[in-house]
Amino acid sequence: EIVLTQSPGTLSLSPGERATLSCRASPGLSSNYLAWYQQKVGQPPRLLLYGASNRATGIPDRFSGSASGTDFILTISRLEPEDFAVYYCQQQQYGTSPLYTFGQGTKLEIK
Amino acid sequence: QVQLQESGPGLVKPSETLSLTCAVFGGSISSNWWSWVRQSPGKGLEWIGEAYHSGATNYDPSLKSRVTISVDKSKNQLSLRLTSVTAADTAVYYCARHIAIRGMRGFDYWGQGTLVTASS
Repeated sequence: EIVLTQSPGTLSLSPGERATLSCRASPGLSSNYLAWYQQKVGQPPRLLLYGASNRATGIPDRFSGSASGTDFILTISRLEPEDFAVYYCQQQQYGTSPLYTFGQGTKLEIK
Repeated sequence: QVQLQESGPGLVKPSETLSLTCAVFGGSISSNWWSWVRQSPGKGLEWIGEAYHSGATNYDPSLKSRVTISVDKSKNQLSLRLTSVTAADTAVYYCARHIAIRGMRGFDYWGQGTLVTASS
């Protein structure tokens, strides 16, 4: 099983600031199989990035992703009020069991 | 624009079977893989299983003995059955469509979710 550990649990920032969210995969994961989602209260998750760094349709370019070994980073370059939400990473590595797992989430809150 | 709509009983008695359907609008159920994902109140996301129109399925090992997911092409909908429910199965249940682009994957369309409470 691939376990995803997100940090921090909560991130308090102000609009206009830069947000950096981390997702660590154990034992390891190809960057092709890592996605990021945003979830607001009372709404379903929204796909932001797939393949660690590819923006889904309609996602603003202030959202970007990168990978380094087992660490995956979601960066929001300049926070807008609508960006405050919970963010989840998800792995979809072929041949693993379960096929899909999510990190526990990072809550991005207004400071 | 693809839209997914979950439906089913909001209350299920412990030990009974939870049954949900997910209607797909604006797209064909035969064009993608489809998953069920649940979220317990105040908690994170848990993948339940996936299905393809061919009948192929995969399930989370911890739920495999109790779950059946199927695709009904004639109705363009996805179904979920979870037997022997307990309070731990209380959650919002989402259906989601898979995308696959150059080998990279994600769940790009989600239903709004339906809350199922397991209680007597």
